[in-house]
Amino acid sequence: QKEVEQNSGPLSVPEGAIASLNCTYSDRGSQSFFWYRQYSGKSPELIMSIYSNGDKEDGRFTAQLNKASQYVSLLIRDSQPSDSATYLCAVREDSSYKLIFGSGTRLLVRP
Amino acid sequence: GAVVSQHPSRVICKSGTSVKIECRSLDFQATTMFWYRQFPKQSLMLMATSNEGSKATYEQGVEKDKFLINHASLTLSTLTVTSAHPEDSSFYICSALGTSGLRDTQYFGPGTRLTVL
Repeated sequence: QKEVEQNSGPLSVPEGAIASLNCTYSDRGSQSFFWYRQYSGKSPELIMSIYSNGDKEDGRFTAQLNKASQYVSLLIRDSQPSDSATYLCAVREDSSYKLIFGSGTRLLVRP
Repeated sequence: GAVVSQHPSRVICKSGTSVKIECRSLDFQATTMFWYRQFPKQSLMLMATSNEGSKATYEQGVEKDKFLINHASLTLSTLTVTSAHPEDSSFYICSALGTSGLRDTQYFGPGTRLTVL
C-alpha cells in the first residue's frame, strides 16, 4: 500500500513568516511529486511540481525534494492570510498517472 | 488554458434516485480522467480512472455498479451515482490528464457537492 503522510496541523504562523510544510512517502521508486492548495469547499489547485532532488523555487514558494529520505517539503515565504488553506502533498504513480494524496496540512496565517 | 468544468456544482436529491455528474475538458483533449471523492475534513480518495473509449478502472472498495463512469469522448466523462443514499453525500471532483505536452499534470474541475436526503 503506497502511502503519503502529512501532519494534519493546523500549522499557525504570523503574517510575513515562513511556513514549512512537510510530507513523506513510502514508495522509494516514486519520481513525481506535487503540492496542491485547497481552500475550504473548493477543489485543489496546483502550486508546484518537483521531480529532481534539491530545491525548486516559484515566487514565494519553494519545493524541496530528498528522494533518499523520501521527503518532500514546501516553504512559503512572506506568508499572507490568503495563504490560509489546506496543502495537499501528492505523489504520482508514473505507470498509471494516478495521484496518491496525503491527508493535507491546514495552514493558518495570522494577520 | 487547461480548464476543466463540472456540472452541476451542487445537487440535492432524494434517497434512491440517480445523479449524473459531467466533467469536461474545455480547451484540451483528455484521454484520461480521474474521479475523486472527498468527505469533510478528509483528503481526496481516488474512485476510478476513466479512459476514453474503454471501461473505467475502479479502485479497491468502489462499487462499479453503483458508480457508473462513461468516457465517450476526449472532452467528456460522466459519473452516475445510482440509487444514491445519504452515505454517498460527498464532494466529487474530477481531473483530466491532457495528451502529449499536457500529460504531465492533472487539471482539476471545481467539484460537485452531492447531498442525498
